[in-house]
Amino acid sequence: NAGVMQNPRHLVRRRGQEARLRCSPMKGHSHVYWYRQLPEEGLKFMVYLQKENIIDESGMPKERFSAEFPKEGPSILRIQQVVRGDSAAYFCASSPSGGVFYPNNEQFFGPGTRLTVL
Amino acid sequence: DQQVKQNSPSLSVQEGRISILNCDYTNSMFDYFLWYKKYPAEGPTFLISISSIKDKNEDGRFTVFLNKSAKHLSLHIVPSQPGDSAVYFCAASSSQRSNDYKLSFGAGTTVTVRA
Repeated sequence: NAGVMQNPRHLVRRRGQEARLRCSPMKGHSHVYWYRQLPEEGLKFMVYLQKENIIDESGMPKERFSAEFPKEGPSILRIQQVVRGDSAAYFCASSPSGGVFYPNNEQFFGPGTRLTVL
Repeated sequence: DQQVKQNSPSLSVQEGRISILNCDYTNSMFDYFLWYKKYPAEGPTFLISISSIKDKNEDGRFTVFLNKSAKHLSLHIVPSQPGDSAVYFCAASSSQRSNDYKLSFGAGTTVTVRA
């Protein structure tokens, strides 16, 4: 019963490079959510995906950020041409169906990827 | 636009005593509230939730109180134990719109339980 897995746990990039963050949801979960936590702030919703579909990307910055959840493999959050302001912890969550309501739709969170942009 | 606020960044309490964590929200559409607990290097884990049709929900040592008119909720931990030392996040959602999956989080309160 592996939980939500994220890798890498720590990622260091120089300004202008690309960052790729991976998330493997819990077994049986087909709904994935990405959140970002900036220093001294709470987690902020970025994007909600189901297999091969982006359901809601209203929290994603319009440029440089993209997300996918292919039919096979993990969900990927990609940040192109990173800037220092992208330094944050990025959390992925998964649920068996859409929503947040406990116990049926609880979102289970991964340990996060801490991105540092030099 | 911080819709969920936790104004106390930290709380120190003696073991055995009560911990009270507070949370305020501004969006009147929120009708489902959750508390998450987070240890260092781990993701948040669900602790307890409450629907707006209730004003209290209890689970063991944890009780959440909701005051809808004040747009305020609190988490009580009694008695506090050393293993409760963690960051606690308040989160909210709305079931009235199609995007009920979207959680809005507060900035967190770091609780330290002293022996």
